Amino acid sequence: EAEVAQSPRYKITEKSQAVAFWCDPISGHATLYWYRQILGQGPELLVQFQDESVVDDSQLPKDRFSAERLKGVDSTLKIQPAELGDSAMYLCASRAALGQGYNEQFFGPGTRLTVL
Amino acid sequence: AQSVTQLGSHVSVSEGALVLLRCNYSSSVPPYLFWYVQYPNQGLQLLLKYTTGATLVKGINGFEAEFKKSETSFHLTKPSAHMSDAAEYFCAVSDKGGGADGLTFGKGTHLIIQP
Repeated sequence: EAEVAQSPRYKITEKSQAVAFWCDPISGHATLYWYRQILGQGPELLVQFQDESVVDDSQLPKDRFSAERLKGVDSTLKIQPAELGDSAMYLCASRAALGQGYNEQFFGPGTRLTVL
Repeated sequence: AQSVTQLGSHVSVSEGALVLLRCNYSSSVPPYLFWYVQYPNQGLQLLLKYTTGATLVKGINGFEAEFKKSETSFHLTKPSAHMSDAAEYFCAVSDKGGGADGLTFGKGTHLIIQP
């Protein structure tokens, strides 16, 4: 069964360091999302891609966060510099463009970030 | 902007009892509504969704939910709880692009199953 892959699963870093997370969506899924989930909260959308283009990054803290999806397939989310408040689970999701499951987002296992 | 309210951050039921998790939403247009389940340190798995048509939606693992427009609610139910149902449950709404845009999630309800 096709799945969204994310790595690393866990990341511990010190504040002011740079971190990067990787996501590989389900093959053929044109839309990719990055969400941040703070402990005890629901996920919040950070950025949405349609192929290689950013559709919505209104909630992305652009002073320290960046996201790219250069070839419209896999994606990288970067934080530089990391702050204590960035400790959270970072979830990637993808969605098919057409057909069954068009309006369903499939989530990866997430990357748990701890900033010390 | 849309929003989701999940009543009760923790719900505890006995094994075999009815499960009821409450969700109310606000949306300026007909919404697409979703329930997801999350197990510890894992991603989210879709339980069920309402898009259009029948307001009673059946999902996986015996769960179902009913869309009630007049009450702006989408409560999740299961007739008989199982120990394996213990998890975090999230209600989500999308009112743009028919579910194509990013979802707005509630804060979640932690379901505890008592043996």
